This record gives sequence, C-alpha cells and structure tokens, in this order.
Amino acid sequence: AQRVTQPEKLLSVFKGAPVELKCNYSYSGSPELFWYVQYSRQRLQLLLRHISRESIKGFTADLNKGETSFHLKKPFAQEEDSAMYYCALSHSSNTGKLIFGQGTTLQVKP
Amino acid sequence: DTAVSQTPKYLVTQMGNDKSIKCEQNLGHDTMYWYKQDSKKFLKIMFSYNNKELIINETVPNRFSPKSPDKAHLNLHINSLELGDSAVYFCASSQESGGLSEQYFGPGTRLTVT
Repeated sequence: AQRVTQPEKLLSVFKGAPVELKCNYSYSGSPELFWYVQYSRQRLQLLLRHISRESIKGFTADLNKGETSFHLKKPFAQEEDSAMYYCALSHSSNTGKLIFGQGTTLQVKP
Repeated sequence: DTAVSQTPKYLVTQMGNDKSIKCEQNLGHDTMYWYKQDSKKFLKIMFSYNNKELIINETVPNRFSPKSPDKAHLNLHINSLELGDSAVYFCASSQESGGLSEQYFGPGTRLTVT
C-alpha cells in the first residue's frame, strides 16, 4: 500500500539553525514526490516537487530511492519559514491522486 | 480574483441534516478534487473529477456525493450528517489529472456537526 510518513509532528528550531523535515514513503512504482506548505491563515500551496530539482525559498529535497526518503532541508531557518509542511506522493495511475503524510509543524524561534 | 474558492467557510449543523459545500475555480483547470482534513490535520483525498467525469472515488460513505455541473465547479453534498464528519474540507484543482500537476487549494470549509 502507498504510504507517506512524516515522523515528527512538531519541529522547533532557532533562527539560523539548519532544518530537516523528514519524509519516508512506501510505494511499489516510480514515485512523484512533493512538499506542500501551509503558512498561518494561508492556503495549502506547493513548495517544491522532486522532478524539478529546484530550490524554493532556500529549501531543497532530494529523492533517495534506496532509503525511500524525500527529506526537506534548509541550511539556515528563518522565522517566516514557520508553517505546516506536508510531504505528498502522487499515485502511479496518473489520476493526480495525492497521498499526504501527517504533516510537520515547523516552528522557528527568534 | 481568487483562484479556488469555497463556500461556506464555516458550517455548523446538527446530526442528521443534509448540507452542501460549493467549490469554484477560475484557473481553467480540467481536474478538481475534494480532500478531508481531520482533527489531527491528516489530509485524505475523497474524490476527483476530470472534465466533469469522476476519476477518483475513495472509500467514503455513500452519504457523500460530489457533483460537477461544469469543469469549473465541484460541489460536495453530504446526507445524514454524523459527528465524525466534522472536519475541514478542502477543494483543489489542477491543470490536468496527471501525477505531476501542481494542485491549487481552496481556503477550506470547517464543518462542525453537533
């Protein structure tokens, strides 16, 4: 069964510290992986997708098929990074179905 | 000019009632979705429509019925509401139904069943 696991419900760091939000997946096909973010009082929105191999707002995520992971990283956290982060997996049947992890709240303290 | 809008934003109702949540997107997208977010913030897909055709129908009770009058609208009707239906319901849309398409989310509808 397809599954996305985000083991940390809450991650609290100080401004300027490195951040790593963990995401592991269980999937038998070739996965499409995403990170979505929800800032306070804003909509859920796409942060980045693995296929683009891009860095958005200083965040990067590398797909590690051996470890079935797609951890989100940023070398220096900013207060404005505080938000709820969801890792998501796209279904292989090409229906666009997204399977979400449980979400991790990132709290960046001044 | 909101991209994906939902009405109402809040809905408080009693058990046994029937209610509808409306969703509209003005992005010209072909695919629309309904997600349910429970009290632990866990998001789960319920339905998806592509060009008014149902393409995803997860295991949800028959009391939930989506309706897509045109590709810009996807409404969710819920019959005989139960306490466990209390949640935040998110509508989303994407350009196409493929797995790479970014999904654009609405602001959510917080449903409280008493």
